[in-house]
Amino acid sequence: NAGVTQTPKFQVLKTGQSMTLQCAQDMNHNSMYWYRQDPGMGLRLIYYSASEGTTDKGEVPNGYNVSRLNKREFSLRLESAAPSQTSVYFCASSVVEAFFGQGTRLTVV
Amino acid sequence: QQQVKQSPQSLIVQKGGISIINCAYENTAFDYFPWYQQFPGKGPALLIAIRPDVSEKKEGRFTISFNKSAKQFSLHIMDSQPGDSATYFCAASYSYGKLTFGQGTILTVHP
Repeated sequence: NAGVTQTPKFQVLKTGQSMTLQCAQDMNHNSMYWYRQDPGMGLRLIYYSASEGTTDKGEVPNGYNVSRLNKREFSLRLESAAPSQTSVYFCASSVVEAFFGQGTRLTVV
Repeated sequence: QQQVKQSPQSLIVQKGGISIINCAYENTAFDYFPWYQQFPGKGPALLIAIRPDVSEKKEGRFTISFNKSAKQFSLHIMDSQPGDSATYFCAASYSYGKLTFGQGTILTVHP
């Protein structure tokens, strides 16, 4: 029972590079989320998807795009990475309880 | 804007003591209030949750107290153990939707 799987676990990017963070869940959940975690700020919602085919902006969407590829997969793309996007990124899925992946630690230099 | 405010930022207690973490929310539409526990290098995991139609919920050593009129809720950890050392987040949502998190509390329980 894998739950929510995120790849990669660690990544270092140079300013201006692009990358996609992958997330997949095997719990047949409709809702999926991307959060970023920064010290002293808790987890802040970047984007979410209430169901396959829909996506909506969260609290901090600037600089990010998302794709809900199918019910299982929800990816987060950084088109032109900036040092301010250095953070730990968490994907989650839910019906009632939200289940989180292990996180992707991203450093932008 | 920070719709859920959490305090303290950090907390140190002795083994066997009581840990208390407080949260306050602004949006009266919130109707689901979970607490998450996070260990270093891991994702948050649900610890306990409450809905506003009850004032208290207890699961083992963990209790949520909820005060709807004050728009506050708190987590009490009884008989705190070193294994409880972690970061704790309160959160709130409407209709089990997207969660708004507090800033987090780093709990350290000394043996």
